[in-house]
Amino acid sequence: DTAVSQTPKYLVTQMGNDKSIKCEQNLGHDTMYWYKQDSKKFLKIMFSYNNKELIINETVPNRFSPKSPDKAHLNLHINSLELGDSAVYFCASSQAERGSYEQYFGPGTRLTVT
Amino acid sequence: EDQVTQSPEALRLQEGESSSLNCSYTVSGLRGLFWYRQDPGKGPEFLFTLYSAGEEKEKERLKATLTKKESFLHITAPKPEDSATYLCAVAGSARQLTFGSGTQLTVLP
Repeated sequence: DTAVSQTPKYLVTQMGNDKSIKCEQNLGHDTMYWYKQDSKKFLKIMFSYNNKELIINETVPNRFSPKSPDKAHLNLHINSLELGDSAVYFCASSQAERGSYEQYFGPGTRLTVT
Repeated sequence: EDQVTQSPEALRLQEGESSSLNCSYTVSGLRGLFWYRQDPGKGPEFLFTLYSAGEEKEKERLKATLTKKESFLHITAPKPEDSATYLCAVAGSARQLTFGSGTQLTVLP
């Protein structure tokens, strides 16, 4: 019944490691997103992706890369993790290609880099 | 660049004490203004979309309104379960959401 799901819920890892966060949506939406929420609760867009284009926020380091095996999934890969990457990461989806920009969010993944 | 400013940062109300949260925005080509509720440890939950000045939407004790420069989220006779962070966002010509920093609402019994 879950609309947007993410795994894992918590991720603790060491600096320098490579990790992935998975996201799946069963809403039939055409566009998916990744956001980073910092300690002050500010939500910042990292990527938006549909089957036509990937839009990357210019402030996102190239250590972060989204990968989409199909329309229902958008995974986030992070290479060479740094302390500053610690945050909560949210996946979201919408029907943006059909002009609906309401986004539905997953439960979040709390990443802690030690 | 789209910008969203929310005020106040935090608001404490007694149960039953009505109030309003403010969201001021600048955007090129507004495609929608969105309100979300976020509970601790959870993802933002969609509440409302407003598309044009003068539009209003209601859901239980919440009512959202929109002008050309700002939106208000009115909370009537709030209950403790309304305690959460309320987020405002706009979608502009870039077709992406720009979020404000949120208002943390606490309703005391």
